[in-house]
Amino acid sequence: GAVVSQHPSWVICKSGTSVKIECRSLDFQATTMFWYRQFPKQSLMLMATSNEGSKATYEQGVEKDKFLINHASLTLSTLTVTSAHPEDSSFYICSARRGTSGYNEQFFGPGTRLTVL
Amino acid sequence: ELKVEQNPLFLSMQEGKNYTIYCNYSTTSDRLYWYRQDPGKSLESLFVLLSNGAVKQEGRLMASLDTKARLSTLHITAAVHDLSATYFCAVDVVWGSQGNLIFGKGTKLSVKP
Repeated sequence: GAVVSQHPSWVICKSGTSVKIECRSLDFQATTMFWYRQFPKQSLMLMATSNEGSKATYEQGVEKDKFLINHASLTLSTLTVTSAHPEDSSFYICSARRGTSGYNEQFFGPGTRLTVL
Repeated sequence: ELKVEQNPLFLSMQEGKNYTIYCNYSTTSDRLYWYRQDPGKSLESLFVLLSNGAVKQEGRLMASLDTKARLSTLHITAAVHDLSATYFCAVDVVWGSQGNLIFGKGTKLSVKP
């Protein structure tokens, strides 16, 4: 149990276009989902926390108008990178927390590699 | 500011040798996770440490947690090439119904024959 999927696994797009990444919890309900970004040879950086039915909470320095997060159901959160630029190229990883307690473990998706040309 | 410090950041080992990776953190927490990441892949959960004194072992890896010292260790016994990967520790910071993971910078392990 506790499987998280992401789609697509990789995407290449032209500068100026928008890209949507989906994160799904396949066998559990996730009240809270998290979006991380990882640059090559670096650690994971939390971008935002997404709670079902409410607005996402963004970390300092993350542009909310650029990285749109929608958590419309207990099994799906989406991250849309709007007007993507080459500097947005990165590995995006989502995670989902089962249940409502802040003590519950996060389960990570397989990641989405975004390349902006 | 919460800090999670791993050391070493790079580790080159010979097969068959033992070594320990350290994870220090700067705030009160009794939940710590260890993950493995292979190149181009996402995180694989290795250990979940939920209390002071917790010790868990899986194969050649053993993790422990000392919440009083704010220290976790990942010990590698008789390393093999398959263990080559980047290892991250992450501290769970919880307040109310919210919680975030704060990651260390990772330790890139290379096991050579």
